[in-house]
Amino acid sequence: GDSVTQMEGPVTLSEEAFLTINCTYTATGYPSLFWYVQYPGEGLQLLLKATKADDKGSNKGFEATYRKETTSFHLEKGSVQVSDSAVYFCALRLRAAGNKLTFGGGTRVLVKP
Amino acid sequence: EPEVTQTPSHQVTQMGQEVILRCVPISNHLYFYWYRQILGQKVEFLVSFYNNEISEKSEIFDDQFSVERPDGSNFTLKIRSTKLEDSAMYFCASSEIAASGGEQYFGPGTRLTVT
Repeated sequence: GDSVTQMEGPVTLSEEAFLTINCTYTATGYPSLFWYVQYPGEGLQLLLKATKADDKGSNKGFEATYRKETTSFHLEKGSVQVSDSAVYFCALRLRAAGNKLTFGGGTRVLVKP
Repeated sequence: EPEVTQTPSHQVTQMGQEVILRCVPISNHLYFYWYRQILGQKVEFLVSFYNNEISEKSEIFDDQFSVERPDGSNFTLKIRSTKLEDSAMYFCASSEIAASGGEQYFGPGTRLTVT
């Protein structure tokens, strides 16, 4: 079945460090890919998305490129801030599967000052 | 900014009891969803709802579960007879459209603890 695998956390970084969170997927069709973020005490928020191969999603300094050849959608940020501390979820959606999202396990990121 | 709200934030219930989790989706949204996350596991899709009927459900969503939109604002998830393994965080979401560009907006979740 369709699935998303992302690196386990927690990931602990110092402020201004480079962040990368790996995400790979398995899908029977051609998915749209998403990164969601969950700040403490809040719901999941869409961070960025990409709907076709080689698309780059970006938002708030975060970027991820849809790589069909490696079935990956790694999240990166060049210089993290303490406010980026959160749990990050990679997800896919297949048009053939309706509108449901299939999530990875989430990666907790802690940025220390 | 409009947001999805959920109540209660934490619900504790005894095994075998019925629980109703409540959600208020964003007002102009037409598609509604429930997901759950068992502690330490992935966020899993339960059900989607459109035009007053279920449009898709997962294997998890068995006869113990039901959803309802009792009025123009609330969207509820009922678990008829809770089991220990129903303990999880339950997230409600809504979207304006169902197309691939239709972003799903999530609520903060209800933590259900079954004892």
